[in-house]
Amino acid sequence: EIVLTQSPGTLSLSPGERATLSCRASQSVTTTYLAWYQHKPGQAPRLLIYGASSRATGVPDRFSGSGSGTDFTLTISRLEPEDFAVYYCQQYGGSPPITFGQGTRLEIK
Amino acid sequence: QVQLQDSGPGLVKPSETLSLSCSVSGGSVTSYYWTWIRQPPGKGLEWIGYIHNSGTINYNPSLKTRVTISIDTSKNHFSLQLSSATAADTAVYYCARGVKWFDLWGQGTLVTVSS
Repeated sequence: EIVLTQSPGTLSLSPGERATLSCRASQSVTTTYLAWYQHKPGQAPRLLIYGASSRATGVPDRFSGSGSGTDFTLTISRLEPEDFAVYYCQQYGGSPPITFGQGTRLEIK
Repeated sequence: QVQLQDSGPGLVKPSETLSLSCSVSGGSVTSYYWTWIRQPPGKGLEWIGYIHNSGTINYNPSLKTRVTISIDTSKNHFSLQLSSATAADTAVYYCARGVKWFDLWGQGTLVTVSS
């Protein structure tokens, strides 16, 4: 099983600041199959990034993804109030084929 | 615009079967892969399994002995059954579109396993 470890567990920042979220895999992940989601309470998760760096439809360009192999990063360039949520990374291709990271909570400082 | 609507009982007794369905509107269930994902209270997301109308099905090994996912093209929906439910199966259950990533989600159904 490919284990995805996200860090930090909680990130406290202020609106306008830059957020950097990390996702580290226990073994190499095919770049095409690494995705990021935003999850707010009471809502369904929202796809932000797929293929490690491609923004999903309607996602603002302040969100960007990068990385390859075992290390991936989600960056939010300038935090807006609506960006405070839990973020998950997810991979496809291991065995079992789909796993999620444990999440990073982005909270207002 | 394609939308997913998941539905099912919010309360299931221990040892019984948890059953949920996900209706696909604005599109056909014969296209795409369809997936079930759950989130226990206070925990992260867990993949349950996926299905394609071609017959491809794959389940999380941790649930494989208890899970059945099926497609009903006449109703344009897909379903989840989880047998021998326990309190550990209490979670918000989501249906979603895709397999490599999930670009469309249902709103989620909270299922509580309790007597």
